[in-house]
Amino acid sequence: ETGVTQSPTHLIKTRGQQVTLRCSSQSGHNTVSWYQQALGQGPQFIFQYYREEENGRGNFPPRFSGLQFPNYSSELNVNALELDDSALYLCASRGSRNTEAFFGQGTRLTVV
Amino acid sequence: GIQVEQSPPDLILQEGANSTLRCNFSDSVNNLQWFHQNPWGQLINLFYIPSGTKQNGRLSATTVATERYSLLYISSSQTTDSGVYFCAVETNSGGSNYKLTFGKGTLLTVNP
Repeated sequence: ETGVTQSPTHLIKTRGQQVTLRCSSQSGHNTVSWYQQALGQGPQFIFQYYREEENGRGNFPPRFSGLQFPNYSSELNVNALELDDSALYLCASRGSRNTEAFFGQGTRLTVV
Repeated sequence: GIQVEQSPPDLILQEGANSTLRCNFSDSVNNLQWFHQNPWGQLINLFYIPSGTKQNGRLSATTVATERYSLLYISSSQTTDSGVYFCAVETNSGGSNYKLTFGKGTLLTVNP
């Protein structure tokens, strides 16, 4: 059974650029969610995808968008990057709501 | 939305000491997880414990759902226990039944 994997592990982008982060969910899991963790803080929920549909969203602007594919892998896209977008981005997968969530190793994004 | 408070924010121990980390939450929950974040940022699952008591080696956890708190016990601490411990909850209340809400974490330092 493979765990949750994310790519890339580190990324440096310039303000105003766009970025795509990727996540492969754990085998058998159809629900993927994304979290942003700023330095010294707990992770904050961005959004969740269930069977290719977004079914929950946190307090993030529309320039944060996502996709989920038929194999349940997922992408997080961020447009018009701002310096405050610098953070660790974590992907989590779970079999269904109210079950244990498992996290990937994260992508550390630096915006300069 | 639900509030999650962790205490203490920082804890310094000598190797071999025992410790208790606390997580208080403001509403009824149907999911509660404890994580250890390693130095590379990955969230390691410790316990999935919406209620009751569980033990795994030197670690144990208790959630008293009716009183809205959870405790994580670490016995005979080791330097490898160092890191940030997060409590995260999921609730069916207020339309937030699709995300984990994290506390700010407890930074544990175990000195040799």
